[in-house]
Amino acid sequence: RKEVEQDPGPFNVPEGATVAFNCTYSNSASQSFFWYRQDCRKEPKLLMSVYSSGNEDGRFTAQLNRASQYISLLIRDSKLSDSATYLCVVTKNDYKLSFGAGTTVTVRA
Amino acid sequence: ETGVTQSPTHLIKTRGQQVTLRCSSQSGHNTVSWYQQALGQGPQFIFQYYREEENGRGNFPPRFSGLQFPNYSSELNVNALELDDSALYLCASSWDREEQYFGPGTRLTVT
Repeated sequence: RKEVEQDPGPFNVPEGATVAFNCTYSNSASQSFFWYRQDCRKEPKLLMSVYSSGNEDGRFTAQLNRASQYISLLIRDSKLSDSATYLCVVTKNDYKLSFGAGTTVTVRA
Repeated sequence: ETGVTQSPTHLIKTRGQQVTLRCSSQSGHNTVSWYQQALGQGPQFIFQYYREEENGRGNFPPRFSGLQFPNYSSELNVNALELDDSALYLCASSWDREEQYFGPGTRLTVT
């Protein structure tokens, strides 16, 4: 079983729509959780950390459910520039980032 | 930009050859991690160097090896290249193993 699993999508949504997707992780000892964004053929960039109480960063909202071992990301009022692959990342604070395979989001005009 | 640089940008090698990839960490960072990203997959952790010592290794064979230099730059060496080694190789630097900043990657093709 993969350590981090994501719905690969693609999610194809119109501008202004809301899109949400999840990932699940297998290791209950995981301590830190992140969403990274990766544009085509570029390096991953940290989008936001995910906290137990849930957190927002502008149009982005992340939630963590430790009991069910899943993490979610919701994007409100989608922009064309949100088109990317979103990578779910967990770590046990051993400094090794474990990535999911990514969820592809395409926002159309 | 993160300030992390990698060279070369692209590389084509033949099966069985050896390759060295280089990474210059962001100024002030003392930790470098290497990841392999195959097409359609997420990055997979290869190993990490902290203050010139290996500090953790992923599920990669010994033909993947590395170094970190006193200026905290790093090299990834891969011997006996296989077709499956074709991937984007990413390095990430951080201060004391905190938030990791990724470089643009080296795209390796093995034919």
